Amino acid sequence: GNSVTQMEGPVTLSEEAFLTINCTYTATGYPSLFWYVQYPGEGLQLLLKATKADDKGSNKGFEATYRKETTSFHLEKGSVQVSDSAVYFCALSRVGNEKLTFGTGTRLTIIP
Amino acid sequence: NAGVTQTPKFQVLKTGQSMTLQCAQDMNHEYMSWYRQDPGMGLRLIHYSVGAGITDQGEVPNGYNVSRSTTEDFPLRLLSAAPSQTSVYFCASSSGTQNYNSPLHFGNGTRLTVT
Repeated sequence: GNSVTQMEGPVTLSEEAFLTINCTYTATGYPSLFWYVQYPGEGLQLLLKATKADDKGSNKGFEATYRKETTSFHLEKGSVQVSDSAVYFCALSRVGNEKLTFGTGTRLTIIP
Repeated sequence: NAGVTQTPKFQVLKTGQSMTLQCAQDMNHEYMSWYRQDPGMGLRLIHYSVGAGITDQGEVPNGYNVSRSTTEDFPLRLLSAAPSQTSVYFCASSSGTQNYNSPLHFGNGTRLTVT
């Protein structure tokens, strides 16, 4: 079946540091890949997505590239801010955006 | 701009009690779903619906019932609560129909504790 593996947290960085959160997946065929973010006390929000190999999703300074050869979709940001503190979820879908398979989430804390 | 509204925000139940978690969306979305979020396990799909009158099971459906009598509402019922159902529950919706430009919209969650 489908599965998503993302790096264990928590991750703590200083403001303006470079961020990478690793995500790899297992799926048959060509899934769509997503990063969702969950701020404290809120539901998840779509951060970015990519629907085919070599696509790059980007939003709010975050980027992730769909790498079919390594089955990866790592999240990166060049300079993090305190407001980026949240839990980040990598996810995939085989059928549109509906039935998502999520990773376990990575808690990110940015200290000033 | 209500989006997806879940009630209640918090609930404590005793083992064996029943309750219904409410979910409503005002975006005329066809697709609605319920997830549970547990530490170290991410979100797991409980049940979903692709339109009024149609429901189906997700990854972890046991102990939960759903119905979809209207487009707007998708309640989740626990008939006999168990401690293993202690979790945070999220309702989500999208315009569906395999529309890659339609993300899932999540509610703010219901934190349920079963003692």
